[in-house]
Amino acid sequence: AQSVTQLGSHVSVSEGALVLLRCNYSSSVPPYLFWYVQYPNQGLQLLLKYTTGATLVKGINGFEAEFKKSETSFHLTKPSAHMSDAAEYFCAADGGSQGNLIFGKGTKLSVKP
Amino acid sequence: KAGVTQTPRYLIKTRGQQVTLSCSPISGHRSVSWYQQTPGQGLQFLFEYFSETQRNKGNFPGRFSGRQFSNSRSEMNVSTLELGDSALYLCASSQGPTTNEKLFFGSGTQLSVL
Repeated sequence: AQSVTQLGSHVSVSEGALVLLRCNYSSSVPPYLFWYVQYPNQGLQLLLKYTTGATLVKGINGFEAEFKKSETSFHLTKPSAHMSDAAEYFCAADGGSQGNLIFGKGTKLSVKP
Repeated sequence: KAGVTQTPRYLIKTRGQQVTLSCSPISGHRSVSWYQQTPGQGLQFLFEYFSETQRNKGNFPGRFSGRQFSNSRSEMNVSTLELGDSALYLCASSQGPTTNEKLFFGSGTQLSVL
């Protein structure tokens, strides 16, 4: 069964620093992959998704992610963190025939001034 | 266009009671999915409805059920509540039934079981 692993439940960066949030998936068949962001007391908002084609995917708010099949990874990056980026980030993969999304446990990003 | 609306926003129940949560998808969306979010287990898929039919179901006991109406609005019901059912229940809608569709999430219903 597909599983998604996010390394690091908490990541703290300084404002202006690089943001790197790690995600690995388990399937031998590359699934569709997603990154969502959740702000306090809100639902999830899609940042970006990878289906097929270009392996570097650009999303909203300056985030991007690179699909690396050889590493079964889909890490999320942003060159320069902003205070408003503080939130919880979830990586997800499609569940194939199950028709659902399988989420990682989430990474809480803190941004220090 | 209005987003996904979930009601109520907060709910407090006691063990053994039952609860019904409501979700109104974005206009024109025909698929509604439900997820349970807890600090320990993270986000777990409950079920998905498309055109009033349950397409998929996650690994939850039969106490968890749902339905979708002809206007695409959906309800989920939890009977005989247990303390472990305390969670944020998120509803998401999409135009089509496939997971490469963009999912739009509501703000959730925070259920506390005492």
